[in-house]
Amino acid sequence: DTGVSQNPRHKITKRGQNVTFRCDPISEHNRLYWYRQTLGQGPEFLTYFQNEAQLEKSRLLSDRFSAERPKGSFSTLEIQRTEQGDSAMYLCASSPNGRSDTEAFFGQGTRLTVV
Amino acid sequence: QKEVEQNSGPLSVPEGAIASLNCTYSDRGSQSFFWYRQYSGKSPELIMSIYSNGDKEDGRFTAQLNKASQYVSLLIRDSQPSDSATYLCADPTNNRLAFGKGNQVVVIP
Repeated sequence: DTGVSQNPRHKITKRGQNVTFRCDPISEHNRLYWYRQTLGQGPEFLTYFQNEAQLEKSRLLSDRFSAERPKGSFSTLEIQRTEQGDSAMYLCASSPNGRSDTEAFFGQGTRLTVV
Repeated sequence: QKEVEQNSGPLSVPEGAIASLNCTYSDRGSQSFFWYRQYSGKSPELIMSIYSNGDKEDGRFTAQLNKASQYVSLLIRDSQPSDSATYLCADPTNNRLAFGKGNQVVVIP
């Protein structure tokens, strides 16, 4: 296991289309996080899972966004009816246990461009 | 007020010099902090974590946490061109990482 894996690495989509990203965390990492990062800013928290349970969602996460982690392993993030403002790097991170101060490790990210 | 603030503009340092980065935070309950390095177009990479007041050294990196003044700093000694990147301070309190906007470091050969 070489780390957190995200697919695809890049996605270009037309406005109004739906997109889905996948994240495979480091094996046996209980926590999985999704972040969004735009140019010149730090990553912004979107949501996190403890095993299969989605425990928190940011107010940034509109109704068009949904995330799942059905078996407590990989996770998907879906954006419906994409808008140009959704263009960003979407980052997934995982950490090994339930403590919030445990170090989190990031995947390579999925860069979304909405045209 | 944002949870984590990194306000300095880009920092240019000559190769071999010390780069000093600062981060302030608003949550008095924060107990630990992480420093991530992010190369252009890449994802953040964890380089330092600090869990208690005081200094922590790891190779050429030293992190300092001052809870009374609510700031955390990162020193990079003997800066190398490969250190040119954006450095992000992150507070792991409240079940997720709250990041600053980052400080860009440019090491000039």
